[in-house]
Amino acid sequence: QKEVEQDPGPLSVPEGAIVSLNCTYSNSAFQYFMWYRQYSRKGPELLMYTYSSGNKEDGRFTAQVDKSSKYISLFIRDSQPSDSATYLCAIPLNDYKLSFGAGTTVTVRA
Amino acid sequence: ETGVTQTPRHLVMGMTNKKSLKCEQHLGHNAMYWYKQSAKKPLELMFVYNFKEQTENNSVPSRFSPECPNSSHLFLHLHTLQPEDSALYLCASSHTGEFYGYTFGSGTRLTVV
Repeated sequence: QKEVEQDPGPLSVPEGAIVSLNCTYSNSAFQYFMWYRQYSRKGPELLMYTYSSGNKEDGRFTAQVDKSSKYISLFIRDSQPSDSATYLCAIPLNDYKLSFGAGTTVTVRA
Repeated sequence: ETGVTQTPRHLVMGMTNKKSLKCEQHLGHNAMYWYKQSAKKPLELMFVYNFKEQTENNSVPSRFSPECPNSSHLFLHLHTLQPEDSALYLCASSHTGEFYGYTFGSGTRLTVV
């Protein structure tokens, strides 16, 4: 079983909508959860990461972890066309190895 | 441009060719990585180098041969590739132990014909 699973989408929303992205993971021992953003023709860049459970907010972005259901989420409020990208969840398996989801491609329509 | 530079950006090669991908980082990191990204699939870790020593080879076919002459440079030598090897090849670097400090390059888009 893969460590983390993500629906590849794609997802298309109108400008101003809330974008909701989700991943599930397999091992309840995982403690860190990460979200990367990848623009077209670019490498992934770390958007935010959380430790254990609960929410973490950074501007219009909120990362949420539900350890009871092994579910991680990323919400983007007031989405903008500049948020159009592929979003990847990732879980560190050790201090250097990351397991990535397949990525969800998001398009925000102006 | 990020602190991790990859060249070339695009590469088309025949199955009998030999080519190399280059990665250079200017961030003072000591760990470097090669990842393969195929459409609709998760990033696949291929190789890991720590302080120039290979610490992980993720069952990668021998037609892919990595080289790390120093902590700032990483190469991926390619020979007799297959069409299914067509993908985006991403290089990344970090400080050892800082999984949250990955910096990726923009990748090399490889097409095998």
